[in-house]
Amino acid sequence: NAGVTQTPKFRVLKTGQSMTLLCAQDMNHEYMYWYRQDPGMGLRLIHYSVGEGTTAKGEVPDGYNVSRLKKQNFLLGLESAAPSQTSVYFCASTPGQGDQETQYFGPGTRLLVL
Amino acid sequence: GQNIDQPTEMTATEGAIVQINCTYQTSGFNGLFWYQQHAGEAPTFLSYNVLDGLEEKGRFSSFLSRSKGYSYLLLKELQMKDSASYLCAVKDSNYQLIWGAGTKLIIKP
Repeated sequence: NAGVTQTPKFRVLKTGQSMTLLCAQDMNHEYMYWYRQDPGMGLRLIHYSVGEGTTAKGEVPDGYNVSRLKKQNFLLGLESAAPSQTSVYFCASTPGQGDQETQYFGPGTRLLVL
Repeated sequence: GQNIDQPTEMTATEGAIVQINCTYQTSGFNGLFWYQQHAGEAPTFLSYNVLDGLEEKGRFSSFLSRSKGYSYLLLKELQMKDSASYLCAVKDSNYQLIWGAGTKLIIKP
């Protein structure tokens, strides 16, 4: 049981390049989330999914797209990377949306956009 | 707007007790969470409060006062491995987690 995994762990992009971050979970969780974490700020929700085939916008969705074609995978895409997207990206999952449901996090992807 | 406030950094001595405060203003309340995050790692769950009062879990305890919009995390018998950031998060009326910026706890021998 690997939990939540993310690939890649680290990536350097040039402005304007595109990339996809992959999140996978083997816990059969319905809900999945993409956050970014920047120094001095709390985790900010980019997009989330409440089940296979569904996605929704979070607090900071601009410049990102997501897809949830399979229940276990949640992809985050950057179509044209900008230096402002330099951040640490965390994926998380929960079984459902109940009060006590805790979020399980992946190890993070560190992205540097030059 | 929604807001979670925590001190940016705290320092404590090994073996001592430290209290990390969190105040919140959110649209709705469906529980408050504390997570621990070691440098370069992912956040991991520590505690959950939805009713007023104290929840104790080993060396860690968490307190909630909904009327005051206030919580604290109490860490006893501090160990060097407790050096980490502690994140306060509130689940709002949409069941989304609103996160504080975290409190970096430095433990000195």
